[in-house]
Amino acid sequence: GAGVSQSPSNKVTEKGKDVELRCDPISGHTALYWYRQRLGQGLEFLIYFQGNSAPDKSGLPSDRFSAERTGESVSTLTIQRTQQEDSAVYLCASSLVAGGSQETQYFGPGTRLLVL
Amino acid sequence: GNSVTQMEGPVTLSEEAFLTINCTYTATGYPSLFWYVQYPGEGLQLLLKATKADDKGSNKGFEATYRKETTSFHLEKGSVQVSDSAVYFCALVEGSFGNEKLTFGTGTRLTIIP
Repeated sequence: GAGVSQSPSNKVTEKGKDVELRCDPISGHTALYWYRQRLGQGLEFLIYFQGNSAPDKSGLPSDRFSAERTGESVSTLTIQRTQQEDSAVYLCASSLVAGGSQETQYFGPGTRLLVL
Repeated sequence: GNSVTQMEGPVTLSEEAFLTINCTYTATGYPSLFWYVQYPGEGLQLLLKATKADDKGSNKGFEATYRKETTSFHLEKGSVQVSDSAVYFCALVEGSFGNEKLTFGTGTRLTIIP
């Protein structure tokens, strides 16, 4: 079946504009994660959704960042009033369940965001 | 908190050389450990994993053993190929429910020259 998909693949925006990034997880996967990969750095956790539970937002770097998920399907990550330091590759991952540490997370190809 | 420290790159090896990429971790619980790989122009994909102490994960000729006593999960391959050129990330998930996010190392860029 299809893997995790993300759109757009690339986004160039001007400082101060809002952007929306989309993630379609693997069908049937109940857990969905957003990560950020800045140039030359490792991946940073941003937010995590598990079913109908309240999301874990502990990784969001500021209140300009928010995310929503519709049921157990698509998720949107929104960055308001973008800043140049928001430039990064935003990765989405999904896993079948989040019942512990053994579940493999499958990653999408990422959205490369450049804020000018 | 949890953290992962991995060997800094870049690493350049000749084809058929032996590879080791070191990875050590700090975790409060009983983590599962992962190696992810990112080939040029592609997304991040799971290479191998180990979920408990002394487990050995293996895939595509790569191996890593979960060593609780040294809190390590070093990646090894006996004979690398040009196609192994990629960025390798060590990661962990701490075991408690509700804490399933991956904590990644900074990545090691590996280049294999023919």
